[in-house]
Amino acid sequence: AQSVTQLGSHVSVSEGALVLLRCNYSSSVPPYLFWYVQYPNQGLQLLLKYTSAATLVKGINGFEAEFKKSETSFHLTKPSAHMSDAAEYFCAVSLIQGAQKLVFGQGTRLTINP
Amino acid sequence: DGGITQSPKYLFRKEGQNVTLSCEQNLNHDAMYWYRQDPGQGLRLIYYSQIVNDFQKGDIAEGYSVSREKKESFPLTVTSAQKNPTAFYLCASTSLHGGPQPQHFGDGTRLSIL
Repeated sequence: AQSVTQLGSHVSVSEGALVLLRCNYSSSVPPYLFWYVQYPNQGLQLLLKYTSAATLVKGINGFEAEFKKSETSFHLTKPSAHMSDAAEYFCAVSLIQGAQKLVFGQGTRLTINP
Repeated sequence: DGGITQSPKYLFRKEGQNVTLSCEQNLNHDAMYWYRQDPGQGLRLIYYSQIVNDFQKGDIAEGYSVSREKKESFPLTVTSAQKNPTAFYLCASTSLHGGPQPQHFGDGTRLSIL
């Protein structure tokens, strides 16, 4: 069975500092991996996706993530945090075949300090 | 613009009452999904549908029902059997063609008990 673990339910960084949100997955087959962002009382917006084309994936708003098979990780980073990055972030894994159901991590709430 | 529309944005349920949440998409997507979001628990899959007139239970289907009479529409009914319905409900859709596709989300419906 697939699963996703996001280490840290809350992460706080200063404006301009590096953002690192951790995601580890468990999957018996090569996975598709996604990062989504959610602002208060809104739906989820796709940040980026990994589909085996390249291990370093660039997304919107300056975010990127690196797929490391040996570590079963897909951590999300941004070199310099902006106040507008404050939101909840979800990592998700999907099987290649079938109904493309997503299994989500618990989410990480990112706070940006001025 | 194409997208997913969920209505209403806020909904209140009385004891013993069934309520229906609407989800409409104009993205011509094959698959549609319903998720429940509770604080600190990420998103959990309630039901999903890959094709009209067919749907499958997700991880927490008890107390919920769905229909898929049209490709564009996937309403969710929260029945009186669901004893803890207070949550944020998210609808999503995706294409099942052309390789791995991300799910697109609506802006959610917040359901509360009166």
